[in-house]
Amino acid sequence: GAGVSQSPSNKVTEKGKDVELRCDPISGHTALYWYRQRLGQGLEFLIYFQGNSAPDKSGLPSDRFSAERTGESVSTLTIQRTQQEDSAVYLCASSFRGRANYGYTFGSGTRLTVV
Amino acid sequence: DAKTTQPPSMDCAEGRAANLPCNHSTISGNEYVYWYRQIHSQGPQYIIHGLKNNETNEMASLIITEDRKSSTLILPHATLRDTAVYYCIVRPVSGSARQLTFGSGTQLTVLP
Repeated sequence: GAGVSQSPSNKVTEKGKDVELRCDPISGHTALYWYRQRLGQGLEFLIYFQGNSAPDKSGLPSDRFSAERTGESVSTLTIQRTQQEDSAVYLCASSFRGRANYGYTFGSGTRLTVV
Repeated sequence: DAKTTQPPSMDCAEGRAANLPCNHSTISGNEYVYWYRQIHSQGPQYIIHGLKNNETNEMASLIITEDRKSSTLILPHATLRDTAVYYCIVRPVSGSARQLTFGSGTQLTVLP
């Protein structure tokens, strides 16, 4: 597609439930990032995928968080047993080959509210 | 550690040039300077990037000092729609580093 697409745009879930967030990167973009942004704060890196290489999971805050990506296509971020502190906007970005001389395109995010 | 320092907020009159500074005194020779902005309730938007030469595109100009320890993003004729948080980021040229690190950015408010 023309841009990075994320779904759902908004998600309200009860504490303790699992949620799955989806990211469709730009076709041909091999690098994909997930970020979290809490209200009024900057972006917090979660995980990075580059082609078929092992993902960089160094930003995942706990083992309740996991992400998958098949090849260079869709990625899903799963949060198990959600907690209220998981409430945030989850942003996905993609780029061509993860190289610095290409800009990164962000999606509009999924606003997650845990009640 | 975002590796950059920006003022938390700035105001600019509509139609005037907005000059947003960024300090990156520990920048390495192989790191680019990137600028993004985030308008309220939207994902960040790429603006411009540069290595050592000044750059210009349809959105903005980027001025990098000769020692590369600081840079300035210039919006030549700011409009109300330019009100956003502006992020300055440094990142290596090669694919060895795997994350963009966003700091707190500068909240630019364009005033009518």
